Amino acid sequence: QVTLKESGPALVKPSQTLTLTCTFSGFSLIASGNCVTWIRQSPGKPLEWLARIDWDGDEFYNPSLKTRLSISRDIAKNQVVLAMTGIDPLDTGTYYCGRLRAITAPYYIDYWGQGIQVTVSS
Amino acid sequence: DIQLTQSPSSLSASVGDRVTISCRASQTIGDFLNWYQHRPGEAPSLLMYGASNLQRGVPSRFSGRGSGTDFTLTISTLQPEDFATYYCQQSYATPWTFGQGTKVEIK
Repeated sequence: QVTLKESGPALVKPSQTLTLTCTFSGFSLIASGNCVTWIRQSPGKPLEWLARIDWDGDEFYNPSLKTRLSISRDIAKNQVVLAMTGIDPLDTGTYYCGRLRAITAPYYIDYWGQGIQVTVSS
Repeated sequence: DIQLTQSPSSLSASVGDRVTISCRASQTIGDFLNWYQHRPGEAPSLLMYGASNLQRGVPSRFSGRGSGTDFTLTISTLQPEDFATYYCQQSYATPWTFGQGTKVEIK
């Protein structure tokens, strides 16, 4: 059974770095075709894809946020970490991680975490 | 970026109704279109991938059609557990993008 769970701070001050952890089970991130991705939803906005890390270590970022994002993985702990620098109140929202299947196109997110609500405020 | 426009943004329907949600892409995306369901307080879940492929475990009352720029998600007979928000998402080109969502509410 595949599960993912997001963890991190609920409240972050502007200009700080937000660090979120996705802890997963039920799959291996080094098995071919498995990826972990991050998506967020800010109030009143559509879901926004942020970043992805693949079974081979390749990283992909939303170009609009690329300079602020960093994604990494800890295979032994079954964790993927997303760091976002220069946090702004506009970054307030719910952040989700998900497992992405990338064996053959089209790719899709077949499992999602429940999300973590992050508020940016001084 | 590829824009996805869903319509309607919300709808009211009764149990047993047939419901259709549209998703239009700003450029052709082949069949690289997925649909997700999101109930409040729960994790989003995958319904359809590749425009018309039903995810394992999803009831057959859900169906998807389309290719190119125009896609639809249909719920043939609405059930109480189907009241949720539905999102389309393209995986044709990065950055992957989502529609703004369609909220299906109880009439």
